[in-house]
Amino acid sequence: IAGITQAPTSQILAAGRRMTLRCTQDMRHNAMYWYRQDLGLGLRLIHYSNTAGTTGKGEVPDGYSVSRANTDDFPLTLASAVPSQTSVYFCASSLDGNTEAFFGQGTRLTVV
Amino acid sequence: GQQVMQIPQYQHVQEGEDFTTYCNSSTTLSNIQWYKQRPGGHPVFLIQLVKSGEVKKQKRLTFQFGEAKKNSSLHITATQTTDVGTYFCAGAAAGGGADGLTFGKGTHLIIQP
Repeated sequence: IAGITQAPTSQILAAGRRMTLRCTQDMRHNAMYWYRQDLGLGLRLIHYSNTAGTTGKGEVPDGYSVSRANTDDFPLTLASAVPSQTSVYFCASSLDGNTEAFFGQGTRLTVV
Repeated sequence: GQQVMQIPQYQHVQEGEDFTTYCNSSTTLSNIQWYKQRPGGHPVFLIQLVKSGEVKKQKRLTFQFGEAKKNSSLHITATQTTDVGTYFCAGAAAGGGADGLTFGKGTHLIIQP
């Protein structure tokens, strides 16, 4: 693979279920991010990681958790999905927090 | 925390007309980045501005960074249907770190042929 890959592309999930969105990059980028995109609200940062082994909370972290066990992978977990988490989720990476960010193709999640 | 405001939210233009979107940060920025998202797609990096007062051009697109490094603009001359999409600015706070990149809400450009 080249770049940044997200999986799945789309998912319909029952409320209360646990779900992990996967994100992998092969650019050896230090920084990785998870955003959700909702109409009229733009891109809102959920969680970020400046380097492997560290994570931080963004603007809308509640109901989500992340881990960064290695440089390449940055999974996002919804412990118990709720309908308000219906959104398009984008993973992104950059060399550091100041440089060009590369976005994955996105995951369209519907919680019913 | 840092806030990045972007206006307008929507802009309708006739094909061939010019288009401008503006971005304002509540704090001084280390740099500002611009992204374009086509309908149904993901944001794609366009350019990064670093220096105070910097102006950069990409064909019909002109990007400016304000003298105080708190505002920026993107101007498209003679729009074409391929310009349709949402344009986002993203401000990088001084000090770096992934938490320092804050996106504006975007300007949706709609072009009528």
